[in-house]
Amino acid sequence: GAVVSQHPSWVICKSGTSVKIECRSLDFQATTMFWYRQFPKQSLMLMATSNEGSKATYEQGVEKDKFLINHASLTLSTLTVTSAHPEDSSFYICSASDLAGANNEQFFGPGTRLTVL
Amino acid sequence: DAKTTQPPSMDCAEGRAANLPCNHSTISGNEYVYWYRQIHSQGPQYIIHGLKNNETNEMASLIITEDRKSSTLILPHATLRDTAVYYCIVRVGSRYNQGGKLIFGQGTELSVKP
Repeated sequence: GAVVSQHPSWVICKSGTSVKIECRSLDFQATTMFWYRQFPKQSLMLMATSNEGSKATYEQGVEKDKFLINHASLTLSTLTVTSAHPEDSSFYICSASDLAGANNEQFFGPGTRLTVL
Repeated sequence: DAKTTQPPSMDCAEGRAANLPCNHSTISGNEYVYWYRQIHSQGPQYIIHGLKNNETNEMASLIITEDRKSSTLILPHATLRDTAVYYCIVRVGSRYNQGGKLIFGQGTELSVKP
């Protein structure tokens, strides 16, 4: 079946540093990938939609200069949290659409837990 | 996309059927009903989706009312590993456009007990 991986699975960084999270579709090509953020005891919140070869579309209230998204290939999208602060600590999850699949459903990665000290 | 309403939590005995309801009274004719679940600290997992007919797969069954204003996800024989948050999502889609964004609500926290 379709598999999406994320790296790293967890990261701890100091306030003010930047952190890059990778999202890969391992066995299919994904023209569209999505990035979500989830705080403890809350639901997933969509941050942005990433299309291969073009600029990401950010949801209202998400700072595009703080959360840099790059989707340079059909199997890789990256999210960079720039100048991270403790309030950016969260569970970041990506998903990818397999438009060639029978149901075109979204497949989710296992998530990356970011802790900013 | 239409909003959904789900009970915040439910319990189910192991081995029994788990019936998770979802109200989507403002659903439009071109919106599908999707169900995902999220086990603690993992990414969501696709379960099933449908438009107006009932659907069944190896994981679950989806029953959609005739007016499409509500649906029920059925896990026929719940196990402890089915303990998770279950999300009901309605989204515009078509056979060739089901890769669009998903907006998650609060979901139902299902606890399967021995």
